[in-house]
Amino acid sequence: QVQLQESGPGLVKPSETLSLTCTVSGGSISSYYWSWIRQPPGKGLEWIGYIYYSGSTNYNPSLKSRVTISVDTSKNQFSLKLSSVTAADTAVYYCARLIAVAGLGGDYFDYWGQGTLVTVSS
Amino acid sequence: SSELTQDPAVSVALGQTVRITCQGDSLRSYYASWYQQKPGQAPVLVIYGKNNRPSGIPDRFSGSSSGNTASLTITGAQAEDEADYYCNSRDSSGNWVFGGGTKLTVL
Repeated sequence: QVQLQESGPGLVKPSETLSLTCTVSGGSISSYYWSWIRQPPGKGLEWIGYIYYSGSTNYNPSLKSRVTISVDTSKNQFSLKLSSVTAADTAVYYCARLIAVAGLGGDYFDYWGQGTLVTVSS
Repeated sequence: SSELTQDPAVSVALGQTVRITCQGDSLRSYYASWYQQKPGQAPVLVIYGKNNRPSGIPDRFSGSSSGNTASLTITGAQAEDEADYYCNSRDSSGNWVFGGGTKLTVL
């Protein structure tokens, strides 16, 4: 059974960089896409971006200028950096495995971490 | 704003059937996936592809699609189905987007 666990600071100051790591256990990070998704308190889900195990990435255009996702296959981990944060970036951040299907899509996120709340405040 | 539109709230009587819909132009080209989220918990995949259920998801959950609308149907809703439901698919640029979510109340 694949399990994902987010880790990182729960409090970040405005204008600083949010950094989170997702550790994958019970399976290899290889041959899959891995994604970050966030949810502001009381609001809906927002896809942040993904990384393929080989290192290729794709980001939400609305966040692209501030987001970097990286992967460390030796540690079975992938990471998120979001720069120049504001209060609007306060959210529960989830990591998830993305199954991307060619053609008609039918993509889906099959395994999720429990989520970690990151608050942006001075 | 989301390119996938969901009704904010839907209610169903215990044991009855409910359909939760998701509208968007990209659904003419891509299948949607559906996620159930209970308070304080991570989302759980309930339907993906044409109409596929992950292991452990009850068969009362089913999915369908027509034109620009994807639907999640719960046949014989149970009290434990009360949750927020989100659809997900790709947008016109091929990036992933979630619907705004539907809060399902089981009466």
